[in-house]
Amino acid sequence: KQEVTQIPAALSVPEGENLVLNCSFTDSAIYNLQWFRQDPGKGLTSLLLIQSSQREQTSGRLNASLDKSSGRSTLYIAASQPGDSATYLCAVRTVGNQFYFGTGTSLTVIP
Amino acid sequence: GAVVSQHPSWVICKSGTSVKIECRSLDFQATTMFWYRQFPKQSLMLMATSNEGSKATYEQGVEKDKFLINHASLTLSTLTVTSAHPEDSSFYICSAREVENTGELFFGEGSRLTVL
Repeated sequence: KQEVTQIPAALSVPEGENLVLNCSFTDSAIYNLQWFRQDPGKGLTSLLLIQSSQREQTSGRLNASLDKSSGRSTLYIAASQPGDSATYLCAVRTVGNQFYFGTGTSLTVIP
Repeated sequence: GAVVSQHPSWVICKSGTSVKIECRSLDFQATTMFWYRQFPKQSLMLMATSNEGSKATYEQGVEKDKFLINHASLTLSTLTVTSAHPEDSSFYICSAREVENTGELFFGEGSRLTVL
């Protein structure tokens, strides 16, 4: 069974710092990997989707990479802002069409 | 990105009543929708996979008679919590998978259920 782990569970940084969130998965037979953001009491907002054949995707200040063979993905946030404070979740979609979510990283950006 | 609308956002009901939550894909067709439950400070727990025109597939430990799922059209799935009890109070979130393009998963805004 696929297991998805996110480290760290919580992260607090001063505004302006660049930061990296990590996502690890145990089974490399994935279809894609998706990064989400969740604000308190809200649903999930899709940030980036990386297909299994891709190495990275970029959107604005966000860059996500995928190393399928080692079972890792990173989400890089450049020049962090207080508005980036949220919980970030990664999810892998297996070739069997199942989705597995990590437990999330709670990010606080301090003004 | 595509939009998934979930309604209601908040609902408070008395113990023993039933509550229906709707999940709509607004600008794409979704043959498959997913229902999750989320406890405070925890990740999502998949409850069931909703398939248009067929019965939902429930995860182990989820009572299908308690959590009724109907996926009557390509844009609408509903979750009905029957005979709700206080322990059913939770945050329920739906998602829909866009089939035509990337297979990206889009989420509704969630529904906070409080059972008194």
